[in-house]
Amino acid sequence: RKEVEQDPGPFNVPEGATVAFNCTYSNSASQSFFWYRQDCRKEPKLLMSVYSSGNEDGRFTAQLNRASQYISLLIRDSKLSDSATYLCVVIRGGYQKVTFGIGTKLQVIP
Amino acid sequence: GAVVSQHPSRVICKSGTSVKIECRSLDFQATTMFWYRQFPKQSLMLMATSNEGSKATYEQGVEKDKFLINHASLTLSTLTVTSAHPEDSSFYICSARVATSTDTQYFGPGTRLTVL
Repeated sequence: RKEVEQDPGPFNVPEGATVAFNCTYSNSASQSFFWYRQDCRKEPKLLMSVYSSGNEDGRFTAQLNRASQYISLLIRDSKLSDSATYLCVVIRGGYQKVTFGIGTKLQVIP
Repeated sequence: GAVVSQHPSRVICKSGTSVKIECRSLDFQATTMFWYRQFPKQSLMLMATSNEGSKATYEQGVEKDKFLINHASLTLSTLTVTSAHPEDSSFYICSARVATSTDTQYFGPGTRLTVL
């Protein structure tokens, strides 16, 4: 089983829709979690950190569920500019182990 | 967010040559830098973790004699791909760890290496 698993998609959604992605991780010792956004042929850019208490930034909400070992990202009111690949990152051992998911591709359609 | 630069952004070289890629943290000091490789339609794969003043820690399957990493200062790490071959063609991205409350990493813009 992979340490971090993501549905690669693509998720095709209309503008204004709400879309949610999940990312599961296998190692319960994982400590830190992040969502990054990567545009085609560009570097990943930090979207937000993920906490058990939830983290909201505008239209984006991230959540961590330690019991079920997954993190989620919710995007409300999707914009065309949200089209990208969303990568989850799981870190354990104080950055001794950094694992990226394969990424979920989102395409927002006019 | 913190700014990380990478140079060059693109390089094309002949098989057998060595290529050096620089990663700099521009507005902060990074005790830890990471080097990743990303093949088309695949996720980022961590190659090595680089700590200033010490030897890099390589991930399993990454040849340390082929991918030389030097982290000479708190703002600069270099990756040298020695005797590059076409299968080394990839997108190489560095990141720097920012020791703030979020303890996250910021990425450089990447270097696209093509070995002919």
